Amino acid sequence: SQQGEEDPQALSIQEGENATMNCSYKTSINNLQWYRQNSGRGLVHLILIRSNEREKHSGRLRVTLDTSKKSSSLLITASRAADTASYFCATDEGGSQGNLIFGKGTKLSVKP
Amino acid sequence: DADVTQTPRNRITKTGKRIMLECSQTKGHDRMYWYRQDPGLGLRLIYYSFDVKDINKGEISDGYSVSRQAQAKFSLSLESAIPNQTALYFCATGRSGRGIGTGELFFGEGSRLTVL
Repeated sequence: SQQGEEDPQALSIQEGENATMNCSYKTSINNLQWYRQNSGRGLVHLILIRSNEREKHSGRLRVTLDTSKKSSSLLITASRAADTASYFCATDEGGSQGNLIFGKGTKLSVKP
Repeated sequence: DADVTQTPRNRITKTGKRIMLECSQTKGHDRMYWYRQDPGLGLRLIYYSFDVKDINKGEISDGYSVSRQAQAKFSLSLESAIPNQTALYFCATGRSGRGIGTGELFFGEGSRLTVL
């Protein structure tokens, strides 16, 4: 069964606004990752946050992790039309041999 | 050239036919994965392999088989395709054991399979 569940399923914003996507998961994890997928293309890794980290930044991306609430958020600041894509969280389940379990994704649309 | 190459990129076939999707990588990674993506369901793991002699079933392995012919090659077979196997299939690669669990995965561009 899927581990991560993203919220919202779809998000539409204007260029320049910030976009926040959330991910909830069920079991303990080694790390949580965020991926981006342009329509019909392969997924591209954005950022990885370890279970002992609370926040991580990469360019305009900010990821937080709250292991007590089993949740993570991805913030994209000053969004651009080129950020239009689907965003997926993926969890590495603690104790597993190393499977990444993906959520269903948030579809982000950034309007010029 | 792409680091993770999937062939074919698109395939239309009929129910009952045997189909093989192939994946090759030039990244030197030991771990390889096959995922399936359906609209609204995200990605689901079919099979994964941590080296040539290590093959493991994922969440939805029924109706599929795999072969790890070499470290760089991992193929997915549908012995007798059925319409509900119509989906976008992704191969991915990754490195093993770096102290943080499963690290970044690198994905191919996908193989779109339609079973009529």
